[in-house]
Amino acid sequence: NAGVTQTPKFRILKIGQSMTLQCAQDMNHNYMYWYRQDPGMGLKLIYYSVGAGITDKGEVPNGYNVSRSTTEDFPLRLELAAPSQTSVYFCASSYSSGFYEQYFGPGTRLTVT
Amino acid sequence: QKEVEQNSGPLSVPEGAIASLNCTYSDRGSQSFFWYRQYSGKSPELIMFIYSNGDKEDGRFTAQLNKASQYVSLLIRDSQPSDSATYLCAVPRGGSYIPTFGRGTSLIVHP
Repeated sequence: NAGVTQTPKFRILKIGQSMTLQCAQDMNHNYMYWYRQDPGMGLKLIYYSVGAGITDKGEVPNGYNVSRSTTEDFPLRLELAAPSQTSVYFCASSYSSGFYEQYFGPGTRLTVT
Repeated sequence: QKEVEQNSGPLSVPEGAIASLNCTYSDRGSQSFFWYRQYSGKSPELIMFIYSNGDKEDGRFTAQLNKASQYVSLLIRDSQPSDSATYLCAVPRGGSYIPTFGRGTSLIVHP
């Protein structure tokens, strides 16, 4: 099992550009999440999904969009990149919520200049 | 009051000592609690999960939960330099029980 994979590992964007961060899991997990982590801070939830076709906003959704057309994939779209979106982005998955461990991908380090 | 609070540290302890990390939470309805370890430049990984009041031990790690006082602690016995990392407390909350993370406590174990 590859677990949770993310691409790319690093990316530099210019202000106003757009991009999609890819996330995939092969554990047949229902729940998937996108977090961002700024230096010295914990993880802030951007969006999450409880199954294919179902997504919901987290704590910091502005400037991002998601879709979940399959169980395996959960891409995160950044539209009109801003310097405030410079961060490390982690995708995670879990079988369910509440009592289930989250498995994290390796992260994408994004810089917007 | 923040939903999940941790002292950001750094907490510095000598090798072989006990490291004590604390986490408080605001949602009285929370029923499960996770501790993740995150090495610098890496992703978080689960080290402890607890849902009953009292202590849960796993090797050198002990999680302590007190729901009445709304705190959960992580004790690391015989601390090693390899334990140097940031420890994140995660508490599923709200109707959907999606985990909310604290900002993490940085632990430094010096030889």
